[in-house]
Amino acid sequence: DQQVKQNSPSLSVQEGRISILNCDYTNSMFDYFLWYKKYPAEGPTFLISISSIKDKNEDGRFTVFLNKSAKHLSLHIVPSQPGDSAVYFCAASVGTSGTYKYIFGTGTRLKVLA
Amino acid sequence: DAGVIQSPRHEVTEMGQEVTLRCKPISGHDYLFWYRQTMMRGLELLIYFNNNVPIDDSGMPEDRFSAKMPNASFSTLKIQPSEPRDSAVYFCASSSLGGGARGTQYFGPGTRLTVL
Repeated sequence: DQQVKQNSPSLSVQEGRISILNCDYTNSMFDYFLWYKKYPAEGPTFLISISSIKDKNEDGRFTVFLNKSAKHLSLHIVPSQPGDSAVYFCAASVGTSGTYKYIFGTGTRLKVLA
Repeated sequence: DAGVIQSPRHEVTEMGQEVTLRCKPISGHDYLFWYRQTMMRGLELLIYFNNNVPIDDSGMPEDRFSAKMPNASFSTLKIQPSEPRDSAVYFCASSSLGGGARGTQYFGPGTRLTVL
């Protein structure tokens, strides 16, 4: 049973436009969320995160929004660039003292068209 | 720092053979994670260690899978016997809670395993 779901396996966007990647989760205990980016033949790399006490976190062209009532988060990339073409994984974690782990979604492949 | 190192990068084996995947975490990191990536299930956490001790192995699919961390700089994931459905990319990641942000996980390049 997938606790973190990325329902869109792929997305294509024109260069310069906004890319919006979505993620839904089922466990209301999750209190920390992350996005990772993965290029072919490489491991995933950390992109941006957000704590459940916030509803928005911004880092340059990347913004993550969290809607706790809907159990939904999204990643906005503005403006999109061809180098952003990659697979994006959403992840969630719940922290109990001394231990934590991430639950990842299945990923969304973003293609930014020049 | 060289980052997380995994070997081999590619492994092709026949059904029934033993497979051993290796990982060297980033020096100073006290958490080590093993993941498996498949199209259907994305990135699945198999097991993770803290200070060389296995903390949660609930993601290990079955008894054919085992993982060890004999010291802070080395871990192995073993599959015996291997089956075609084990074909996937296996990632190792490491982190340190002292690194802030709930301990960002740094991934290795992965091992692509093909079981014929």
